[in-house]
Amino acid sequence: DTGVSQNPRHKITKRGQNVTFRCDPISEHNRLYWYRQTLGQGPEFLTYFQNEAQLEKSRLLSDRFSAERPKGSFSTLEIQRTEQGDSAMYLCASSLYGEMANEQFFGPGTRLTVL
Amino acid sequence: GDSVTQMEGPVTLSEEAFLTINCTYTATGYPSLFWYVQYPGEGLQLLLKATKADDKGSNKGFEATYRKETTSFHLEKGSVQVSDSAVYFCALSDPGGSYIPTFGRGTSLIVHP
Repeated sequence: DTGVSQNPRHKITKRGQNVTFRCDPISEHNRLYWYRQTLGQGPEFLTYFQNEAQLEKSRLLSDRFSAERPKGSFSTLEIQRTEQGDSAMYLCASSLYGEMANEQFFGPGTRLTVL
Repeated sequence: GDSVTQMEGPVTLSEEAFLTINCTYTATGYPSLFWYVQYPGEGLQLLLKATKADDKGSNKGFEATYRKETTSFHLEKGSVQVSDSAVYFCALSDPGGSYIPTFGRGTSLIVHP
């Protein structure tokens, strides 16, 4: 399977705990994006990387959130001291760069539930 | 800022019916426009796109035309199938920027046999 993969698919945690999600993009894609999607809403942009550089962060990305892409391949998104409002689907996408960035390929998402 | 407004769902149709899902946008420049589809349990997939005014995007029997004068990009299909049941998202991106899409809220389509 050469699509975008995300792990875990589901995560249930207690408020105050830290969680980490992983995204493996399509191998030749330079860009990797993180989005958050809540029920009844479209995906909202969080941050993106071009290779290993984090080029843009949304104001939605509070200081409890951190994302890395250390070798320009897979990426991790960590949420520290989780809150109930963090419950959402976290989506990862990848693309080529330049005009080809118009076509993003999405993973199946990680559904986070904070109790 | 840029925004996308979609008609609320769910849209419920019988198989072989005609589908229209309305989408309008607000943008300061000349955005590219997209429709994405999300099947149950799966990630979003790009369905079609249009990058300039009067362009028509098409794929799998779905079509949408970029209408600059009405700032619209309505999705249509002449004859829907049960397998088209999914959530459809309209989106735009600024081609002069980082290509980060702004999504609408999504419209759920349910097709009955």
